[in-house]
Amino acid sequence: GQNIDQPTEMTATEGAIVQINCTYQTSGFNGLFWYQQHAGEAPTFLSYNVLDGLEEKGRFSSFLSRSKGYSYLLLKELQMKDSASYLCAAPPYYGGSQGNLIFGKGTKLSVKP
Amino acid sequence: GAGVSQSPRYKVAKRGQDVALRCDPISGHVSLFWYQQALGQGPEFLTYFQNEAQLDKSGLPSDRFFAERPEGSVSTLKIQRTQQEDSAVYLCASSLRATNEKLFFGSGTQLSVL
Repeated sequence: GQNIDQPTEMTATEGAIVQINCTYQTSGFNGLFWYQQHAGEAPTFLSYNVLDGLEEKGRFSSFLSRSKGYSYLLLKELQMKDSASYLCAAPPYYGGSQGNLIFGKGTKLSVKP
Repeated sequence: GAGVSQSPRYKVAKRGQDVALRCDPISGHVSLFWYQQALGQGPEFLTYFQNEAQLDKSGLPSDRFFAERPEGSVSTLKIQRTQQEDSAVYLCASSLRATNEKLFFGSGTQLSVL
């Protein structure tokens, strides 16, 4: 089947580092996305991985292992404003409708002082 | 405008009422998507347009749901005879091309069916 799994909630301390994991099972592979969503707001794009390895973008990095069906989002130097839900998403199959992303349920991150 | 605009922001409907939700994508964006997001869940795909063509409507939950994008820009999601289980946030997103790339989401319409 097609499935995206990620932890429901995580808590971390301001200034620390947190890693949010995501495992996926899709009929094919056509990239993996991470989105950030603050409560009551629109999801906003964070990263897109199509090749194995780590991609760094400022305080946020995203890692992908296609052979393991695994990705993680790494947030460094956490700030209070990073408190949000982090959504992992992937197309269900290669060549399918490009917008038909399957989203995980999201990981609600709470950053505490 | 600079981003994806959705209206209304909030909609309260009585069960059985018809509703229409509007999405104004980023100018020039070819692709437009509708998602449904229940509280505490991730967005779930409803339907996808490339210009005015509806290429995928596999996520529409029933024939009470209908979407259109007649001129390839503004889109409307219509829900007929609303039911309580339709209560959710309806998100619209657009992307520049038809290839796999990042989506720009609107803030959504929160629909409450009483």
